[in-house]
Amino acid sequence: EAQVTQNPRYLITVTGKKLTVTCSQNMNHEYMSWYRQDPGLGLRQIYYSMNVEVTDKGDVPEGYKVSRKEKRNFPLILESPSPNQTSLYFCASSDDPIFYGAEAFFGQGTRLTVV
Amino acid sequence: AQKITQTQPGMFVQEKEAVTLDCTYDTSDPSYGLFWYKQPSSGEMIFLIYQGSYDQQNATEGRYSLNFQKARKSANLVISASQLGDSAMYFCAMREGQGGSEKLVFGKGMKLTVNP
Repeated sequence: EAQVTQNPRYLITVTGKKLTVTCSQNMNHEYMSWYRQDPGLGLRQIYYSMNVEVTDKGDVPEGYKVSRKEKRNFPLILESPSPNQTSLYFCASSDDPIFYGAEAFFGQGTRLTVV
Repeated sequence: AQKITQTQPGMFVQEKEAVTLDCTYDTSDPSYGLFWYKQPSSGEMIFLIYQGSYDQQNATEGRYSLNFQKARKSANLVISASQLGDSAMYFCAMREGQGGSEKLVFGKGMKLTVNP
């Protein structure tokens, strides 16, 4: 089954404690990205990756890091989480992102609370 | 400036009726794509329909159709014969950029409630 798997689904952590949210896709997609969803703001892109070792900032990259060492994995790292990073996070992957309307497959989401 | 505008925060529709969800967009890129996603209360994002900027005909996928008016920069989603399971948040999104700078920009979403 084609899927994007995020872990954990729910996480409560304390300010400053480094954490990683994992994302893995089994569709051999080149394009992967991270979004955060906040009430009234929709989804905003944090980082994206066009391929292995190729990453770039989205609209709200501050406070986040990513890496793409393997095609299937795209972890999101919060080195020093703060309460304003409390949000619902989505990982997504897609095949060709430009011309063919490749739909983005989304993970189930990770609800992060930073206290 | 907002790139994707969804002005309707919420809508109510009777079961079996058709409903139109509005979306306007702003881009100067001639090559772009427009998407609609559904997010039920369970939280997952479900792809519904896609319209490319060069597509000559409006996209359709089952009960979903996209009313694409390029000159007006609008891409409204039409759901025919609403079902109770259509109650959800709906997001319009635009893919723009090329050559390694692609991004998907989302609107703020709107909540559809289908009444029995």
